[in-house]
Amino acid sequence: EAQVTQNPRYLITVTGKKLTVTCSQNMNHEYMSWYRQDPGLGLRQIYYSMNVEVTDKGDVPEGYKVSRKEKRNFPLILESPSPNQTSLYFCASSLYGTASEAFFGQGTRLTVV
Amino acid sequence: AQTVTQSQPEMSVQEAETVTLSCTYDTSENNYYLFWYKQPPSRQMILVIRQEAYKQQNATENRFSVNFQKAAKSFSLKISDSQLGDTAMYFCAFMKPSTGGGNKLTFGTGTQLKVEL
Repeated sequence: EAQVTQNPRYLITVTGKKLTVTCSQNMNHEYMSWYRQDPGLGLRQIYYSMNVEVTDKGDVPEGYKVSRKEKRNFPLILESPSPNQTSLYFCASSLYGTASEAFFGQGTRLTVV
Repeated sequence: AQTVTQSQPEMSVQEAETVTLSCTYDTSENNYYLFWYKQPPSRQMILVIRQEAYKQQNATENRFSVNFQKAAKSFSLKISDSQLGDTAMYFCAFMKPSTGGGNKLTFGTGTQLKVEL
């Protein structure tokens, strides 16, 4: 089954404690990205990757890092989380260079206290 | 930069009735794509329908159809014969495939639709 898998689905952490949200896709997609969803703001792109070892900033990259060492994986790293990073996070993947459907993970609800 | 506006934060409709969700966007591009995504309480993002800007014909998927007005930069979603399972947040999204930004989706703020008995 074609899918994007995010883990964990829920996470509560404390300010400053480094965390990683994993994302993996099994569709051999080149393009992967991370979005955050906040009430009244919709989804906003954090980072994206067009292929292995190729990443770039989206619209709201501050406080986040990513890496793309393998085509299937695209983890999101918060080195020093702060309360303003409390949000719902989505990983998505699609074929690069086309307007093909973006497949989304199940979402990760992150709370930073 | 592109922007997407959904001016209806919440809407409700009676079961079996028809409802239209509005979406406008701003872009200087001529070739692009528009999408409607559904997000039920499960939080899963589900593609409802897509429209290529170069196509004049409005897209249709079963009970879902769009009214695409390119000159007016309007992209509304019509849901016919509404069902309880249509209750969800609906997001309008814009995409301009490019070598620079890849397949970035720009989303509106969403419309929470409630289908009532």
